[in-house]
Order: sequence, then structure tokens, then C-alpha cells
Amino acid sequence: QIQLVQSGPELKKPGESVKISCKASGYTFTDYAMHWVKQAPGKGLKWMGWINTYTGKPTYADDFKGRFVFSLEASASTANLQISNLKNEDTATYFCARYPWRFDYWGQGVMVTVSS
Amino acid sequence: DIVLTQSPALAVSLGQRATISCKTNQNVDYYGNSYMHWYQQKPGQQPKLLIYLASNLASGIPARFSGRGSGTDFTLTIDPVEADDTATYYCQQSRNLPTFGSGTKLEIK
Repeated sequence: QIQLVQSGPELKKPGESVKISCKASGYTFTDYAMHWVKQAPGKGLKWMGWINTYTGKPTYADDFKGRFVFSLEASASTANLQISNLKNEDTATYFCARYPWRFDYWGQGVMVTVSS
Repeated sequence: DIVLTQSPALAVSLGQRATISCKTNQNVDYYGNSYMHWYQQKPGQQPKLLIYLASNLASGIPARFSGRGSGTDFTLTIDPVEADDTATYYCQQSRNLPTFGSGTKLEIK
């Protein structure tokens, strides 16, 4: 069965970096784009961007340009999200999601807490 | 960006019909398909795809859920509602770069 399994929760201080992973199984990893979605506590879903799992080319939504990096370990069917210079407003749950023109499978989400 | 507008909350009695609306500021139709999708999210869980391309039931989703609409006006209907349907429901368009509605919180009375 298709699964996206994300890494565990993270507690970081402002200015630090964090790397979140999303391991896919049950399908051919390079056949589908992988997208990232942010959900701040008590808030709605915000699309962050996506990575072409065949070419490795990332595309970032405007609000996520600069400190956010999408990458792949294609041999391990894994997509990664790295956030640098963390700010309090980065406190959120981050989801990866497979995207054949809709988000049909989602990871369980990673809660990132940024606090001094 | 395409903006999606949803009502924030809805309360419906058990066994009745719930209708959740989503309006967009641009047409999301393209070559005969409406690029509108619906998700259910329960607290502490990831969203779950319910309906894709406006009216297609996702795999494993009960037929109590249905979607309709085209252009800029879309609805998700749950009939009859069950207690387990308590959740927040999001619409999302993929005509352009993905955007989500702000979500409708459904309460079952």
C-alpha cells in the first residue's frame, strides 16, 4: 500500500536549522511530484511548493523563498524539507503529499516547535 | 493566486444533510474538468482526500459524500451526516499553483 512516512517532531531554537524527511513506499517515487504543506497551530493549510521527483527541480511558493529548501534522496525514495534560520512563526506542522493534480496521499505530518 | 472562500463553520443535526460551499475568484475549469478537490481533516491527523475533480469520490470514501459544481462555485454534501464526520473540510484548486480554502468546521448536533 502507498505510504508517506515522515520523521519525528522537532524542538528548535530561533536561528537554528531543521531537516524533515518524507519516505515514500508502495509506488514508483519518480512518477509523482512531492509537495509540502504548512499548517500553523489552529490554522488552515498553506501550500509551500513542490519538487519534481524525476529531475530534482524545486519550486517554491512566494512566502517560502529563501530559507526553505526541498531536496531528494531518490535512491531512498525520500523527499526532504530543510528550514534554516528558524523563526517563531515557523512553528507548525509540515506535511508532505503526493500530487497527481490533487493531494491523494499525505504524510502524517511533522510538528516543528521553535522556542527559545 | 486563485482565492478560495469558505464559510468558517456549520452545525448540522445527526442524520441530516450538510452542504459546504467553496467559491473561487477565478474559473478553475480546464478542458472539461473542474480542478477542485475536497479534503477532510480531523484534529491531530493529516488531511484525507474525499472528492477530486469536483465530483469524483476518492478511493474508500463512503457514498454519503458527494461533490458538485463548476467554474467558480462548488459544494461538498454529506448526506446523511454521522457523528464521525465532525472535522474541518477544505477545498483546494489545482487549475493553477495549488491553493486551499480557509476551511469549514463541521459540528454535528
